[in-house]
Amino acid sequence: DSGVTQTPKHLITATGQRVTLRCSPRSGDLSVYWYQQSLDQGLQFLIQYYNGEERAKGNILERFSAQQFPDLHSELNLSSLELGDSALYFCASSVAQGASTGELFFGEGSRLTVL
Amino acid sequence: AQSVTQLGSHVSVSEGALVLLRCNYSSSVPPYLFWYVQYPNQGLQLLLKYTTGATLVKGINGFEAEFKKSETSFHLTKPSAHMSDAAEYFCAVNIGGFKTIFGAGTRLFVKA
Repeated sequence: DSGVTQTPKHLITATGQRVTLRCSPRSGDLSVYWYQQSLDQGLQFLIQYYNGEERAKGNILERFSAQQFPDLHSELNLSSLELGDSALYFCASSVAQGASTGELFFGEGSRLTVL
Repeated sequence: AQSVTQLGSHVSVSEGALVLLRCNYSSSVPPYLFWYVQYPNQGLQLLLKYTTGATLVKGINGFEAEFKKSETSFHLTKPSAHMSDAAEYFCAVNIGGFKTIFGAGTRLFVKA
C-alpha cells in the first residue's frame, strides 16, 4: 500500500460527458502528480501541483483541468469526453517540490472507459 | 529536454536466466534515475533509484542497476529471473526534483 488513494477505481461513461477523479496523497506529501496511461501513448505526465499551486504542466488537454485543495487532495476534471480519453489515470505524490529526490508514490489508478 | 528510451517493448527470459532491461536517458544536468515496476491491475512502485554517490544501486527483489554517465545508461539487471518478476518495468528520469519523465515501458515475460 503506497498510501495514495484514488477514487473511483473504475468509471464508465459516455462521450461528451464530464467526470471527476479524486486523489488523496500520502500523509505529509505536498506534491501531487497526474499521469495518463494508455496502450498507444504509454505513461504521459499531465500536471503537477505543489501545496495548492500548479508547478508543472505536461501533455494535458484543454478539456482537462485539475486542482489541489487546502487539505492537499487533488481532483482531475475531464470534460467533453472522447473515446480516446479511455485510459488509466494515475495520481502520484512526493514529499516536496524541489528538495526531494523525485521519488513518486503511485495510487492504484482510476480506469476510465468512454463509450 | 530530458528524455528516456527503453530498448525493447517486450523481453522474454526463462526462469533462472539473467534479466537485462535497457534504459538510456538524455539530460543536460545530472539526473535522478529510477526504475519502477507495475504488476497487473496495480499502480507503479519504486524498484530502485540513483541520486548521487555509488553508481551501482540495489533495489528490491534482487534487482540492481548501474548508472553509467559516459553511456547515459541505467540498465536494470537481475541474475536469476523468477516467475513473479513478470511485470512491466519503467525507467524514469527526474531533473532537480520536478517533473518525472517515464520511458515507454518494457514488459518482462518469464517462461517456466
